[in-house]
Amino acid sequence: DTGVSQDPRHKITKRGQNVTFRCDPISEHNRLYWYRQTLGQGPEFLTYFQNEAQLEKSRLLSDRFSAERPKGSFSTLEIQRTEQGDSAMYLCASSPSTYSYEQYFGPGTRLTVT
Amino acid sequence: AQRVTQPEKLLSVFKGAPVELKCNYSYSGSPELFWYVQYSRQRLQLLLRHISRESIKGFTADLNKGETSFHLKKPFAQEEDSAMYYCALSGQGAQKLVFGQGTRLTINP
Repeated sequence: DTGVSQDPRHKITKRGQNVTFRCDPISEHNRLYWYRQTLGQGPEFLTYFQNEAQLEKSRLLSDRFSAERPKGSFSTLEIQRTEQGDSAMYLCASSPSTYSYEQYFGPGTRLTVT
Repeated sequence: AQRVTQPEKLLSVFKGAPVELKCNYSYSGSPELFWYVQYSRQRLQLLLRHISRESIKGFTADLNKGETSFHLKKPFAQEEDSAMYYCALSGQGAQKLVFGQGTRLTINP
């Protein structure tokens, strides 16, 4: 499968713990996006990268959230001191270039905070 | 502010009947509009974008700037069209997508 991959697919954690998710985009895709989706809602934008540069962050991305894409390939999203409100599906998407509007989505990581 | 509204959370039609999924948007500029679809147990994928003016799987969508709408239509629904449909917009520069809440379409046999 050469599509966007995400790991883990499911994560259950206790409130207050830190979690880290990984996204591997399609090879040579320059742009990488993170979205969050809660039940009954559409995906909401969190942040995106152009190569290794983080170009935009949503107000949804509190200081407990941090995302990196150190070598311009895979990306990680870390949530510190998780809260129950962080329970959601975290989606990653990539797109091939600055001028390509199509985003290719991964399967998502479902986070449950107990 | 960028906003996408899909007024129907659920839509159920019979096989062979016409389908229309509504989408309205708010954007101060010239947006790019898209329809994404998520079939059961599959990932979100692009169905069509307004600028391509294509018909994909029999679906079409016309951008109406006067009414700020981008409704998705298909003249004859098929059972395999049952899925979750999301309308989305992007501002100029191929940046983030702003999604609507989604419409779950069910095609009854």
